[in-house]
Amino acid sequence: DTAVSQTPKYLVTQMGNDKSIKCEQNLGHDTMYWYKQDSKKFLKIMFSYNNKELIINETVPNRFSPKSPDKAHLNLHINSLELGDSAVYFCASSQVPNEQFFGPGTRLTVL
Amino acid sequence: GDSVTQMEGPVTLSEEAFLTINCTYTATGYPSLFWYVQYPGEGLQLLLKATKADDKGSNKGFEATYRKETTSFHLEKGSVQVSDSAVYFCAMDSNYQLIWGAGTKLIIKP
Repeated sequence: DTAVSQTPKYLVTQMGNDKSIKCEQNLGHDTMYWYKQDSKKFLKIMFSYNNKELIINETVPNRFSPKSPDKAHLNLHINSLELGDSAVYFCASSQVPNEQFFGPGTRLTVL
Repeated sequence: GDSVTQMEGPVTLSEEAFLTINCTYTATGYPSLFWYVQYPGEGLQLLLKATKADDKGSNKGFEATYRKETTSFHLEKGSVQVSDSAVYFCAMDSNYQLIWGAGTKLIIKP
């Protein structure tokens, strides 16, 4: 009964490829997020959806596109992967606009 | 703008030592404040929170008090264990998102 799940846990790919990361939450929350965590553990918000609507869209390359088919899912698609995209990507969800529940992370390595 | 500043790590302590990780914030209003913990290889999880001035959050032996006069929310624990080794993040809510500190890595040696 995992609350926030992500797949895959590890993703190794070549530069220029397109890849997707999936996220699902079974907490009934209205809001979901994508974060990028770099090698120094710095956490950067990328996107946030509330009831399938985009509410936060930080300055990220437009190669990154979130998709929310329903309020329990928020997927992240990345086109034309670059070396600098290597990081750990976390999905999170919340009901109140502050206390967030995180998934286990997806470690993306671009070669 | 709103921001959170926390002490740089890594912080290295011996088991049973007293821990303080400093966190200060800048905000226009009175935000809720949080400490999250990230154990190696895992996602972040909420450790404790406080929603108004003078509130004290506590969990797993950790405590933090919301100090409006010093705009601080320092994390403390009286006696740390090796299992407390992790990265600790201070955060506050602002405009329907969390503003995060840079994280402080804590290393506890036996």
